[in-house]
Amino acid sequence: DAKTTQPPSMDCAEGRAANLPCNHSTISGNEYVYWYRQIHSQGPQYIIHGLKNNETNEMASLIITEDRKSSTLILPHATLRDTAVYYCIVRVAQGGKLIFGQGTELSVKP
Amino acid sequence: DAGVIQSPRHEVTEMGQEVTLRCKPISGHDYLFWYRQTMMRGLELLIYFNNNVPIDDSGMPEDRFSAKMPNASFSTLKIQPSEPRDSAVYFCASSFGQGLKPQHFGDGTRLSIL
Repeated sequence: DAKTTQPPSMDCAEGRAANLPCNHSTISGNEYVYWYRQIHSQGPQYIIHGLKNNETNEMASLIITEDRKSSTLILPHATLRDTAVYYCIVRVAQGGKLIFGQGTELSVKP
Repeated sequence: DAGVIQSPRHEVTEMGQEVTLRCKPISGHDYLFWYRQTMMRGLELLIYFNNNVPIDDSGMPEDRFSAKMPNASFSTLKIQPSEPRDSAVYFCASSFGQGLKPQHFGDGTRLSIL
């Protein structure tokens, strides 16, 4: 079973920041938080991952709370092409499987 | 760079037929994963290989399913005999190591069993 809880759906206006929350209250000290997204009819795409520090790359930012029980994926300027299902996953660094939950369906609207 | 390549993209066949799905991982990647996605169960890991050797097949639903990786650049997932409940999208993914490196997914094979 997935160890994360995400809202089933969210809307965001084009050009605005999209903030996608994820709860992982049972996360262990050696588990990382990963985010993937799946655009319709495509395979999942890696976005970002982190352990306890905030992370940023060309796609998004990941904010992890100090107690590590929750995190937020931030798409700073959402576009229509960011419409997708976003999956938050916790996994250990070595030998950890990716266990996908139901994710959050993000709709970016003009 | 070429990503993970899966074939065919779509397959429609009749119940009882053998189905073979194919995957070419990214060159240099040593892990290969097969997933299945359905509306009811979401995205599930079926089996994964490391250096062409199956490591964990606990997700394979039953003996009708088998997977092989004869070399580092090719893997197959076979269903024999196929049943309507096998209808799903099957994804292949590869990664370099299973540590922090992300998995790269193909675009999947949409399988319909009539």
